[in-house]
This record gives sequence, C-alpha cells and structure tokens, in this order.
Amino acid sequence: QAQVVESGGGVVQPGRSLRLSCAASGFTFRNYGMNWVRQAPGKGLEWVAVIWYDGNKKEYADSVKGRFTISRDNSKNTLYLQMNSLRLEDTAIYYCATIVGPRWYFDLWGRGTLVTVSS
Amino acid sequence: QSVLTQPPSMSAAPGQKVTISCSGSSSNIGNSYVSWYQLLPGTAPKLLIYDNNKRPSGIPDRFSGSKSDTSATLGITGLQTGDEADYYCGTCESSLSACVFGGGTKLTVL
Repeated sequence: QAQVVESGGGVVQPGRSLRLSCAASGFTFRNYGMNWVRQAPGKGLEWVAVIWYDGNKKEYADSVKGRFTISRDNSKNTLYLQMNSLRLEDTAIYYCATIVGPRWYFDLWGRGTLVTVSS
Repeated sequence: QSVLTQPPSMSAAPGQKVTISCSGSSSNIGNSYVSWYQLLPGTAPKLLIYDNNKRPSGIPDRFSGSKSDTSATLGITGLQTGDEADYYCGTCESSLSACVFGGGTKLTVL
C-alpha cells in the first residue's frame, strides 16, 4: 500500500532550524515529484515547495524562499525540508505529497507533522 | 488571504446536493487544471477530483467537478454525514513553478 509518513516536527524557537523528513513506501519514489504543503492553525492549505523526481529542479513559495530547502534521497525513498530562520508564522502542520503531471495534482498525502515556532 | 476564493462554509441536509465554488483568475485557474481535496481532522488529505473533472479510483460518483473560464465547482450529491469535512481547490502553473489553493470550505451536513 502506497504511503508517505512525515516526521521531525516539534517546538522550536524563532530564528532556529528544523528538518522534516517524509518516508515513502509502496510506490516507486524516484518516479515522482514531491511537495511540501502546510496548514497554519485555522488557516487554509499553502503550497511550500516542490522538487522534481530526480532532484534537478526545485521551486518555492515566496513566503519561504531563501529560508527553506527541499531535497530528496532516492536511495532512501525520503524527502526532506530543511527549515532555517523560522518565524512564528511558520507554525503549521506540514504535509508531504506526491505530484502527478503534466496537468499537476497532489495524489498521495501523508498525515502531516506539526511544527510550532514559539519563544 | 488565499489566491483562490471559496465560500468559508456551507451546509446542507443528508441526501441533498451541494456545490462548492472556487474562483480564480486568468493567471491561475484560467490557464491550468483544477483539483479538489478533502481534509478530515487527523487524517491525510484526500484527492477527490483532478484534471477539472476526473475522479481517482475509489472516489464515488457522488463527487463531480467542473471548470469554466476562471472558476471551478465541486459538486456532492446524496450528502452523507461522513462528508462533513473541509474541501479545498487547488491548481498549479503548467511549468510547476508555483501552486495555489483556495481558502477552504467547511461543509456541515445537518
């Protein structure tokens, strides 16, 4: 059964860093583009970043550009999100999701991991 | 404020039909495909509709999607209490340089 499982969330102070992981299983991870999508408390979904299936292309939302880095290790079937210079407004549930093209939609999602930025 | 506009909440009785709107612009919906997602607390978001109007396997035909110009609609017929959830529309640029979502619609089945 195909699934993705996020981990690495927690409570962190503003300005600090955190790395999220997303472990994939049950499908050929290296064939899929992968995304991070977040949902702040009481807010809607916000797309964060995408990485191509081979890791050669990455795109970011303006709100995280220059602070967050998306990466992947296809040998470990794992997606990462390195989050630096965290801000209060980065507090959210972070979901990883596969993306299917060429018309682009998010096919398989995880349950998310909660990141709380608080002093 | 989200790029795509959805009604914050809707409600309907069991067995009834509801349509959830998603309004965008020529720079997003008007130039790409729309997908719809269901979010239930504590569970993984679920893809309901892709390519404007296609259902993944396992999604009942009570769910339907359509798109016209810069707007899209999710329809749910034969409402069930289990349909109570938050629903989001989303779209990505064809180059996949960015994706956007609606603000979400909380559906209550009374």
